[in-house]
Amino acid sequence: GESVGLHLPTLSVQEGDNSIINCAYSNSASDYFIWYKQESGKGPQFIIDIRSNMDKRQGQRVTVLLNKTVKHLSLQIAATQPGDSAVYFCAEVEGANGNNRLAFGKGNQVVVIP
Amino acid sequence: DTAVSQTPKYLVTQMGNDKSIKCEQNLGHDTMYWYKQDSKKFLKIMFSYNNKELIINETVPNRFSPKSPDKAHLNLHINSLELGDSAVYFCASSQDRASAQETQYFGPGTRLLVL
Repeated sequence: GESVGLHLPTLSVQEGDNSIINCAYSNSASDYFIWYKQESGKGPQFIIDIRSNMDKRQGQRVTVLLNKTVKHLSLQIAATQPGDSAVYFCAEVEGANGNNRLAFGKGNQVVVIP
Repeated sequence: DTAVSQTPKYLVTQMGNDKSIKCEQNLGHDTMYWYKQDSKKFLKIMFSYNNKELIINETVPNRFSPKSPDKAHLNLHINSLELGDSAVYFCASSQDRASAQETQYFGPGTRLLVL
């Protein structure tokens, strides 16, 4: 189930089940979005990206969905494994070319129950 | 083998001190960044350098001064440390700033605690 922890929204999921992590972004002009995974004690790691001319993109066990109408992104993880336990961030690229920056959303903690 | 490395990993210091964090990337990238992650895990960009030139400077106190001796290194010097500077600082790099769609590779972070 989903709950709001002391700091981060937390999703607890049984190993083998699918996970869905949601993210709302703010800038309707953003045209590139990225999901990052941050394991405990490590830096964020790129998972998958999507451009604004796409609605869906699939990777290995992960799928990103983009709904530009409501400015919403989601990350689906299939057959969640213990190694998927981490904090997940969506990020949008802001700014004009040459001065681009990543604006990160709030993280979502995923806890995989073996 | 480490792509983006930072030193030190942990830094505990007293208020008022001056400290530096170093970052090196061996990916041949042109652009490097510094981010700050607070206790709520919120991650925000501080600076960005492209080929030793400062291109992004967010609203950061001028006690923070980045220095890029060459395009593989971006160091962060912090003067007169304050309690609120306690955070995890991440260095990152990307191939080029010109494209909006360059993957950023992050270092392992430096955990700064100011007492």
